[in-house]
Amino acid sequence: AQSVAQPEDQVNVAEGNPLTVKCTYSVSGNPYLFWYVQYPNRGLQFLLKYITGDNLVKGSYGFEAEFNKSQTSFHLKKPSALVSDSALYFCAVRAATSGTYKYIFGTGTRLKVLA
Amino acid sequence: NAGVTQTPKFRILKIGQSMTLQCAQDMNHNYMYWYRQDPGMGLKLIYYSVGAGITDKGEVPNGYNVSRSTTEDFPLRLELAAPSQTSVYFCASSPGLAGVGDTQYFGPGTRLTVL
Repeated sequence: AQSVAQPEDQVNVAEGNPLTVKCTYSVSGNPYLFWYVQYPNRGLQFLLKYITGDNLVKGSYGFEAEFNKSQTSFHLKKPSALVSDSALYFCAVRAATSGTYKYIFGTGTRLKVLA
Repeated sequence: NAGVTQTPKFRILKIGQSMTLQCAQDMNHNYMYWYRQDPGMGLKLIYYSVGAGITDKGEVPNGYNVSRSTTEDFPLRLELAAPSQTSVYFCASSPGLAGVGDTQYFGPGTRLTVL
């Protein structure tokens, strides 16, 4: 079955330290991968995506993600965390189904950056 | 641009009542989507539309109906509310089909409780 997994419900990191939010996927064909962030009482906001090309993708707010085909992973990273990065992060992947495509979203990882 | 707007922000329904969740976008996007987000779960696609007059079912369409008479508006109708429909509902739009890699833009969500 096609799926996305975010193995950590919550990640805590001290301000100024590097952060990683993990995502692994299982889809047929070439994956299109996305990261979204959700702040309290807000809709999801796009951070970055991987379609093809360079395995390291840079996105908004200093975030980046590394596509690793052999490990079927697309982990979100930031070199130096800010308290304002505290939010809910969703990984999503395109999946082929019944002649069309759809998004599959992970269950989300809550990032807490401690001052 | 206001982006994607949704009304209402909150609503409490009794079992068996009906209501319409409104969604509008001012970005001239052809594609629009309705998702629901249950606690601890990723987003599930309810319905989507590829343009005015064209709609199709997503993963979890039962109990819902949609229409798309204009490019801007994509209302979601609940005919006979059930407790299982308690959720947060997000509307999204994209310039092209999300499944081919286009970014989705999300509204702030509607929190619905069915008692």
